[in-house]
Amino acid sequence: EIVLTQSPGTLSLSPGERATLSCRASQSLSSSYLAWYEQKPGQAPRPLIYGASSRATGIPDRFSGSGSGTDFTLTISRLEPEDFAVYYCQQYGSSLTFGGGTKVEIK
Amino acid sequence: QVQLQESGPGLVKPSQTLSLTCTVSGGSISSGDYYWSWIRQPPGKGLEWIGYIYYTGSTYYNPSLKSRVTISVDTSKNQFSLKLSSVTAADTAVYYCARREGGSYYEGVWGKGTTVTVSS
Repeated sequence: EIVLTQSPGTLSLSPGERATLSCRASQSLSSSYLAWYEQKPGQAPRPLIYGASSRATGIPDRFSGSGSGTDFTLTISRLEPEDFAVYYCQQYGSSLTFGGGTKVEIK
Repeated sequence: QVQLQESGPGLVKPSQTLSLTCTVSGGSISSGDYYWSWIRQPPGKGLEWIGYIYYTGSTYYNPSLKSRVTISVDTSKNQFSLKLSSVTAADTAVYYCARREGGSYYEGVWGKGTTVTVSS
């Protein structure tokens, strides 16, 4: 089973700032199998990125994904008020697992 | 557009079987482009994949839950279901059903989730 480690656990930023979230896999996986989700309190997760870098339907272009092998990154170029949430990465390379999440909070 | 809705008891006693159903509307569960997933989230914790099913009945389970999980599909009702046996308090969670995009390997559409509490 591939373990995904997300860092940092919490990111304190102001609206307009750039957010960089990391997801590290315990072994190499195909970029095709890496996705990112956003979750707000009391809501279901919303898909943001699939295939490491492709935006899901309706996702604004301030969200971007990159990476390969064991290191993947979600970048939010300029934080909007609605972007403060918890973000999860997910892999499908070996079984299917999620990372522990990164909370992006207002500084 | 496709929508998913979970339903089932909100309270289950320890050692009993948790049973949930996901009803798909706005699209056919028999579309070969998708798989149908169950995912859960314990209170205050992260997401855990339980398993998914193809409309033909082929299933794929989380190895850590495999001995207790059964996912089935009823194409005539456009529904799929989850059974989790021998539940304990550790199975208390919000349970989500979702549509997995077959060629893109991610959960593209989610239900709102349903809370299941395991308690006597």
